[in-house]
Amino acid sequence: NAGVTQTPKFQVLKTGQSMTLQCAQDMNHEYMSWYRQDPGMGLRLIHYSVGAGITDQGEVPNGYNVSRSTTEDFPLRLLSAAPSQTSVYFCASSYSTEGNTEAFFGQGTRLTVV
Amino acid sequence: KNQVEQSPQSLIILEGKNCTLQCNYTVSPFSNLRWYKQDTGRGPVSLTIMTFSENTKSNGRYTATLDADTKQSSLHITASQLSDSASYICVVMRNTDKLIFGTGTRLQVFP
Repeated sequence: NAGVTQTPKFQVLKTGQSMTLQCAQDMNHEYMSWYRQDPGMGLRLIHYSVGAGITDQGEVPNGYNVSRSTTEDFPLRLLSAAPSQTSVYFCASSYSTEGNTEAFFGQGTRLTVV
Repeated sequence: KNQVEQSPQSLIILEGKNCTLQCNYTVSPFSNLRWYKQDTGRGPVSLTIMTFSENTKSNGRYTATLDADTKQSSLHITASQLSDSASYICVVMRNTDKLIFGTGTRLQVFP
């Protein structure tokens, strides 16, 4: 099992550009989520999905879109990149949202918006 | 306000020494508390998950404690190794579905 795979690992964008961060998991997990990690702050939830076809907003959803057409994939789209979106992005998956289910994280995508 | 606070922010120890990291939380309702290890440039990896009724949980040289009454947790690392250099993140699950992350303690182990 590869676990949770994120691509790309690094990306530089110009303000106003759009792009998609890819996330795929091969553990047949229902629950997937996207976080951003900024210096001096804990990980913050952007969007999440409890299963194929179902997505919902997290704590900081503005400027991001997601879709979940398959169980395996959960891409994060930046519609019009802004410098405030410079961050490290992590995708996570878990079997469910209940109780002590362990969450698995990808390696992260370091995004710089100039 | 649901918060997770960790101390110290950073810590330097010599290889072979023990250390203890602290976590205080105000998250309610509480479901469980997790400790993650995050190596530089990598995603967080789970070390332990503890429920309300668990006081202590070990994973090799890592031992986590939980005092649900005082809403405090600690992570004790025994006989530190160079590979323990990382950030350690305390995470509390609110209800059954929302993870509240601390800002982490950055540990550096020197030979």
